[in-house]
Amino acid sequence: GAGVSQTPSNKVTEKGKYVELRCDPISGHTALYWYRQSLGQGPEFLIYFQGTGAADDSGLPNDRFFAVRPEGSVSTLKIQRTERGDSAVYLCASSLTDQSEQYFGPGTRLTVT
Amino acid sequence: AQSVSQHNHHVILSEAASLELGCNYSYGGTVNLFWYVQYPGQHLQLLLKYFSGDPLVKGIKGFEAEFIKSKFSFNLRKPSVQWSDTAEYFCAFSTAGTALIFGKGTTLSVSS
Repeated sequence: GAGVSQTPSNKVTEKGKYVELRCDPISGHTALYWYRQSLGQGPEFLIYFQGTGAADDSGLPNDRFFAVRPEGSVSTLKIQRTERGDSAVYLCASSLTDQSEQYFGPGTRLTVT
Repeated sequence: AQSVSQHNHHVILSEAASLELGCNYSYGGTVNLFWYVQYPGQHLQLLLKYFSGDPLVKGIKGFEAEFIKSKFSFNLRKPSVQWSDTAEYFCAFSTAGTALIFGKGTTLSVSS
């Protein structure tokens, strides 16, 4: 059975550029979460989808960050005008419902130069 | 604010030693509690979870954790560690229908 997959595994971009990070959840999981993990820290919540809609986006740091999940499966995290402070590992997780355990993907390591 | 405190940043043990990693959360209501582990080069994996019922929870690889509500604690234990337990350990909690709130993690190094 396939787990959560994320692409790309690594992304290097220049300051000011736009990036998209993709997450493919476990089939049938209705809840999808994005987290960001900086060096030496635990994952920090960004946004959570229940189906196609964002149930909670209170963790997005500012309006440069946006995420979509148009068909209730794959999700894309979009970052505009990237800054060096955006460098981190971006983690995606999915769960069967929003009351059950979350399964994490391998993450995308984003480096902004 | 809701948060998780993991008391030990880096723990170094010899094989066969006993392990206890501290975790305290700050939230006044009902919580779901988790320990995740991240082995070198691998992604986060669930070690064990508590939703309700028996406060002593057993997980994979001989790990267990005890939920003490009065202390807002969920400490992780293992009676005898192995070299393969070398990893980073994260305590986390969620409330109904919310995302996980993680601690900063504890790095465990086990020497053979």
